[in-house]
Amino acid sequence: NAGVIQTPRHKVTGKGQEATLWCEPISGHSAVFWYRQTIVQGLEFLTYFRNQAPIDDSGMPKERFSAQMPNQSHSTLKIQSTQPQDSAVYLCASSLRLGDAETLYFGSGTRLTVL
Amino acid sequence: GDSVTQTEGQVALSEEDFLTIHCNYSASGYPALFWYVQYPGEGPQFLFRASRDKEKGSSRGFEATYDKGTTSFHLRKASVQESDSAVYYCALGENSGTYQRFGTGTKLQVVP
Repeated sequence: NAGVIQTPRHKVTGKGQEATLWCEPISGHSAVFWYRQTIVQGLEFLTYFRNQAPIDDSGMPKERFSAQMPNQSHSTLKIQSTQPQDSAVYLCASSLRLGDAETLYFGSGTRLTVL
Repeated sequence: GDSVTQTEGQVALSEEDFLTIHCNYSASGYPALFWYVQYPGEGPQFLFRASRDKEKGSSRGFEATYDKGTTSFHLRKASVQESDSAVYYCALGENSGTYQRFGTGTKLQVVP
């Protein structure tokens, strides 16, 4: 079991450019979560999916952030017109099911730097 | 809303010292409580969890007891090692099946 895989590990973009982050959850896990981690805010929830369906995106900045899960093997987080304040580590996690408070298994994250 | 509070931002100890990291929670229901550990360059890793009052979770010498009366889940270890240096997160998960809420994290530094 390779664990949750996130690519790329590092991404540098210029202000105003688009960034797409990828996540491959653990096979068989039905829930996928995205969190953002910064020194100031800590771990902030962004959005999650259950069986590929979006369930809650209450943590997403609405205008420029979007997330999709086109199939059970990957999810993407897209940030349009990136801004310096978007610089953070973006973490993807999966869990076996949603319905109980399940253990989260995190990837190593994508460090996004917006210049 | 539900939340988790970790009062210590950083803790510095010597090897073999006793560790306590405080975690208090606020929730309307009866949540599950978790501890995660994060090493540099990695995502948080599950340490252990507890789901009911007075239940003790433990792993790798760390332990915490779910206390509904004081709404706490404090992390303790009797004798820390340099390899325990990391950031520790307390988290809360509602059994209704929503996302986990994390505390602000406590950076533990253990010097030999």
